[in-house]
Amino acid sequence: DAGVTQSPTHLIKTRGQQVTLRCSPKSGHDTVSWYQQALGQGPQFIFQYYEEEERQRGNFPDRFSGHQFPNYSSELNVNALLLGDSALYLCASSRSGTGARQFFGPGTRLTVL
Amino acid sequence: GESVGLHLPTLSVQEGDNSIINCAYSNSASDYFIWYKQESGKGPQFIIDIRSNMDKRQGQRVTVLLNKTVKHLSLQIAATQPGDSAVYFCAVGNSGYSTLTFGKGTMLLVSP
Repeated sequence: DAGVTQSPTHLIKTRGQQVTLRCSPKSGHDTVSWYQQALGQGPQFIFQYYEEEERQRGNFPDRFSGHQFPNYSSELNVNALLLGDSALYLCASSRSGTGARQFFGPGTRLTVL
Repeated sequence: GESVGLHLPTLSVQEGDNSIINCAYSNSASDYFIWYKQESGKGPQFIIDIRSNMDKRQGQRVTVLLNKTVKHLSLQIAATQPGDSAVYFCAVGNSGYSTLTFGKGTMLLVSP
């Protein structure tokens, strides 16, 4: 049973560029949440997707957007990258109706130069 | 909103000792609590969770205790092993909304 997978593993971009990160949820899961984790900090909630719609959103600007596909996989897009966007981006999946138990992927390390 | 804090940034123990990692939360409406372990360069790994209708839950070598009166939870690891060395996060949520608020984490260092 495959767990949560994310791609790419690492990414280097320059300020002003745009980036797309991808996530495939754990088998049987239909809900995907995205988190940003700065160095030495806990993950911060960006948004959650369920039934191909953004269900909840944390305190992140509109430069952060996402999408969920019919197979439950998801993308996170960040436009107009800033140096402060450098972080580990984590995807977590869960099964609707099971509360908040979320399983995380290995993350994508984004470096903005 | 919710804020989550941990009492100690680093905890050093000897192999075989029991470890206790503490966490405090602020929102009394929070009803779901979960502990994750994160090793360097990896994503958080689920350890154990507990809902507000319980005050204790046990897993393999781990126990989570919840005190809703003082809004505090703890993770106890029995017979700590070097492989337990990692950063431990508590996260708090509301099961109706399925989002989690994380604390900053406690680094557990286990010496052989």
